[in-house]
Amino acid sequence: GEDVEQSLFLSVREGDSSVINCTYTDSSSTYLYWYKQEPGAGLQLLTYIFSNMDMKQDQRLTVLLNKKDKHLSLRIADTQTGDSAIYFCAESINYGGSQGNLIFGKGTKLSVKP
Amino acid sequence: EAQVTQNPRYLITVTGKKLTVTCSQNMNHEYMSWYRQDPGLGLRQIYYSMNVEVTDKGDVPEGYKVSRKEKRNFPLILESPSPNQTSLYFCASREVGTGANEQFFGPGTRLTVL
Repeated sequence: GEDVEQSLFLSVREGDSSVINCTYTDSSSTYLYWYKQEPGAGLQLLTYIFSNMDMKQDQRLTVLLNKKDKHLSLRIADTQTGDSAIYFCAESINYGGSQGNLIFGKGTKLSVKP
Repeated sequence: EAQVTQNPRYLITVTGKKLTVTCSQNMNHEYMSWYRQDPGLGLRQIYYSMNVEVTDKGDVPEGYKVSRKEKRNFPLILESPSPNQTSLYFCASREVGTGANEQFFGPGTRLTVL
């Protein structure tokens, strides 16, 4: 079945870049997403990328997509303490009755040290 | 303000005592979904609904029921809660269409079953 894998923890120093990696299995996914969950809160969409794109940049965020390897990454430049959160990668199911459902990874907890 | 609301936010109950967690959205979204979040397991989908009176099982539906009598509401019902249903629950909604269709999440309901 579909699966989304990501490492569980990442620790960086304030001001450094963070790179969170994700692999997915459904090559037909139309969109891939990054969600952010701050402590005690729900998930918020950070950014997404359409499957025919290789890269998307939005201020400090850069998303890279390698469709051949089914690899997605999120780079946060100049990481701040406010970026400490859990980051979820998700792919959209693009077939059958579940079309549009999201499959989430287990989340990467980003800790930013001052 | 566009939002997904859940009630209650926190609930402690005992095994076997029926409970309902309400979810409501004010964005006129067709699609609504329930997830549970457990440490090390990420988000897993319980049930989803593509529209009024249309509901489908997600990945972990056992022990749960839902209903979708109105577009804005999607309650989650635990007829006979058990301790393994202790979890953090999220409701989400989105439009149905061909775009990125961002899912909007509620703030979460932390349920403890003793």
